[in-house]
Amino acid sequence: GDSVTQMEGPVTLSEEAFLTINCTYTATGYPSLFWYVQYPGEGLQLLLKATKADDKGSNKGFEATYRKETTSFHLEKGSVQVSDSAVYFCALRANSGGSNYKLTFGKGTLLTVNP
Amino acid sequence: NAGVTQTPKFRVLKTGQSMTLLCAQDMNHEYMYWYRQDPGMGLRLIHYSVGEGTTAKGEVPDGYNVSRLKKQNFLLGLESAAPSQTSVYFCASRESGGGLAGELFFGEGSRLTVL
Repeated sequence: GDSVTQMEGPVTLSEEAFLTINCTYTATGYPSLFWYVQYPGEGLQLLLKATKADDKGSNKGFEATYRKETTSFHLEKGSVQVSDSAVYFCALRANSGGSNYKLTFGKGTLLTVNP
Repeated sequence: NAGVTQTPKFRVLKTGQSMTLLCAQDMNHEYMYWYRQDPGMGLRLIHYSVGEGTTAKGEVPDGYNVSRLKKQNFLLGLESAAPSQTSVYFCASRESGGGLAGELFFGEGSRLTVL
């Protein structure tokens, strides 16, 4: 079945450091890929997405490129801020058994950015 | 602009008690979902609905029931609560269009503790 594997945290960085959170996936066909972010005490919200190979999703300084050859969708940011402290979830949606209802999530990576 | 609203936000139950979590969305979305979030497990789909009057099982449906009598509401019921159901529950919705790329909109979560 479909699955998402993302790097385990927690990840602790200093402000202005470079961020990478790795995400790889297993799915049939051509899934859409997502990064969701959960700030403390809140629900998840969409950060960025990509719908086909070589697409780059970007938002708020974060980027991720859909790499079909390596089945990856790594999240990157060049200079993190304290306000980026949150849990980040990689997710995919594929046509599984003719159904596209389900979004499959990774386990989440907690990022803490210190001043 | 309410979006997805969950009630209650916090609840403590004793083993064997029953309760219902209510999710309401004001975006006229067809699809609605209930997830649970547990440490180290990410988000797991409990049940979902693709329209008024329909429901379907997700990954972890045992011990839960759902109903979608009105398009804007999706209820999650626990008939006989168990300590293993201590978790944070998230409701989400999305429109039926958008195919694989459709965005999920989440509520703020309901924290349930079963003693």
